Amino acid sequence: DGGITQSPKYLFRKEGQNVTLSCEQNLNHDAMYWYRQDPGQGLRLIYYSQIVNDFQKGDIAEGYSVSREKKESFPLTVTSAQKNPTAFYLCASTLQGAWTEAFFGQGTRLTVV
Amino acid sequence: AQSVTQLDSHVSVSEGTPVLLRCNYSSSYSPSLFWYVQHPNKGLQLLLKYTSAATLVKGINGFEAEFKKSETSFHLTKPSAHMSDAAEYFCVVSEGSSNTGKLIFGQGTTLQVKP
Repeated sequence: DGGITQSPKYLFRKEGQNVTLSCEQNLNHDAMYWYRQDPGQGLRLIYYSQIVNDFQKGDIAEGYSVSREKKESFPLTVTSAQKNPTAFYLCASTLQGAWTEAFFGQGTRLTVV
Repeated sequence: AQSVTQLDSHVSVSEGTPVLLRCNYSSSYSPSLFWYVQHPNKGLQLLLKYTSAATLVKGINGFEAEFKKSETSFHLTKPSAHMSDAAEYFCVVSEGSSNTGKLIFGQGTTLQVKP
């Protein structure tokens, strides 16, 4: 079955450490996105990529980095510069174009301990 | 710029009664509008979408929404609530001007269904 796989489902990080969240899709979608979800704040866009080897900052990119070396993969690194990384992170993908819906992974809950 | 406002952060209904989740949008272009549902600690699932065809859009699980341009609204309704409908609901507009597929989310409405 086609879909988006995020791993791990739960992740614990010590302060000062970088961690990488995985996102893989087999939908043959061109565009991929990372969102952060905090209670009562909806989803906020961190980074997005419309094509391999290219990506753009979203609304809250500070303290995060991404890469897009393959069409299927869009990993997100939460760096030690991110002041408040504890959140639920969602990866999504779409075909190109404004009229298409996004497909979401099941999310990764990151907790800083 | 596009924006979305969900008018209620929390809605509580009894099982078997109608559901109304309200959404207003702002867009300089003909918008694409979506409703997504999220169950706890899960990803988002598409309920329905509006893309300038019929103004009354039918979705999954008995949900529907009506696009009203004059009111800039896209309210979500269901005739009879089921316990399994309890979840977080997001109204979403696509940033149509730049064709990036970027989505702008409302703050979400938590639907509680009482037995």
